[in-house]
Amino acid sequence: AQSVTQPDIHITVSEGASLELRCNYSYGATPYLFWYVQSPGQGLQLLLKYFSGDTLVQGIKGFEAEFKRSQSSFNLRKPSVHWSDAAEYFCAVGRTDDKIIFGKGTRLHILP
Amino acid sequence: DTEVTQTPKHLVMGMTNKKSLKCEQHMGHRAMYWYKQKAKKPPELMFVYSYEKLSINESVPSRFSPECPNSSLLNLHLHALQPEDSALYLCASSRGEGGGGLEQFFGPGTRLTVL
Repeated sequence: AQSVTQPDIHITVSEGASLELRCNYSYGATPYLFWYVQSPGQGLQLLLKYFSGDTLVQGIKGFEAEFKRSQSSFNLRKPSVHWSDAAEYFCAVGRTDDKIIFGKGTRLHILP
Repeated sequence: DTEVTQTPKHLVMGMTNKKSLKCEQHMGHRAMYWYKQKAKKPPELMFVYSYEKLSINESVPSRFSPECPNSSLLNLHLHALQPEDSALYLCASSRGEGGGGLEQFFGPGTRLTVL
């Protein structure tokens, strides 16, 4: 069965430090992968996506993610976080039946 | 225009009321979605419309009734809700048809409180 695992429920980093959020997926075919960000009480905003081609993808707000097929991973990274990055981050895999499977999310806290 | 709009932003209703949530997109997307999201949880899919026809109903109780009047509009009619139905209701749309078409664009949501 398809699934997405985000092993970290909460992550705390200091402002200016680097960030990596982990995501592992289980999907039989070529995965279509997404990272979404959600601020409290808001909708989801797409940070970046991977469909094919270059395995290092660049997104908005300085985020990037690397697709590693051998590890079934799609980890999100940012070299230097800002206080405004505090939010909930969801990794997701898209299915050909129009559904998206979301991970449980990682809450990012930023220390001043 | 890459925006999905939702109205109202907030809704408070009693258990005997009837209300509706509205969603609109002008991106020409063929698929539209309703999700329910409880605090600290990922969105849960409720319904999918494809080419204005209901294609997926995730065993949602009949007190939630979706409607797609045209390709740009999606409504969710609410009747006899329970307090546990209080949540953030998100609408989304996508081009569909696999690959890049799977990307979903989300609206800001309607915060629903059932008293």
